[in-house]
Amino acid sequence: EAQVTQNPRYLITVTGKKLTVTCSQNMNHEYMSWYRQDPGLGLRQIYYSMNVEVTDKGDVPEGYKVSRKEKRNFPLILESPSPNQTSLYFCASSLSSQGTYEQYFGPGTRLTVT
Amino acid sequence: GQNIDQPTEMTATEGAIVQINCTYQTSGFYGLSWYQQHDGGAPTFLSYNALDGLEEKGRFSSFLSRSDSYGYLLLQELQMKDSASYFCAARRRALTFGSGTRLQVQP
Repeated sequence: EAQVTQNPRYLITVTGKKLTVTCSQNMNHEYMSWYRQDPGLGLRQIYYSMNVEVTDKGDVPEGYKVSRKEKRNFPLILESPSPNQTSLYFCASSLSSQGTYEQYFGPGTRLTVT
Repeated sequence: GQNIDQPTEMTATEGAIVQINCTYQTSGFYGLSWYQQHDGGAPTFLSYNALDGLEEKGRFSSFLSRSDSYGYLLLQELQMKDSASYFCAARRRALTFGSGTRLQVQP
C-alpha cells in the first residue's frame, strides 16, 4: 500500500530532551516536507526537500533540523525542544518538486513538550 | 496562512451547495490546491487549478481566477461526511496553506 508513515504517533517529552520524529514514504517520491499544525494557523511548513541531500527552510524552521540521506526517509529533529513546539506534526511527500500541489500526508505526530 | 485568506467557519444543510472562497497574494504563484481534513485525520488532496476556470470532480468543483487572485471550492449535494476542514493552498516554490475553513453540515 502506498503510504507515508510517521513515528511515533504520540509523544510527551520534557524541555531540552532531544527527539527525532521519523518519516518514511514508499512511493519513490522526490519531494518531502514537514508541517506543523496549530489551531487557527493552518499548516505551516517547517522544512522541505526537493531530493536526496537537498533540503531547504520553510516558513517556521527555527528549532528544527532535518536530513535527507535516503530518498524514502526524512526525519525531523528537535535538538532542544521547548513548550512552544507542542503541536501536531505532519510529514508529506509528492512525486516531484513540480507536483507539490498534490501531497500525500502521513497520519501525524502529536507532540507535547512540558 | 501566509497571505491566504479563507473563511474560518461555514455551516450548511445536507443536500445543499456550499462555496468556500479563497484569496491569495500573487507573488510567485503557480496554482491553487484544495485539501480536506477530517477531525483527527490527515489532510487529503481534493483538486488543483493551474489555469483559470472550473475543474469538476464529481460533487466537488474548484475554480480559479488568476486576474482576481481568487479561487473557490464548490461542494454540491452536501453529505454529513463532508463535515471537515477545507484548506486552500497556493503553490509557489513550496505549498503555502491557508488557515482552513471548518464546514459543518447539518441534517
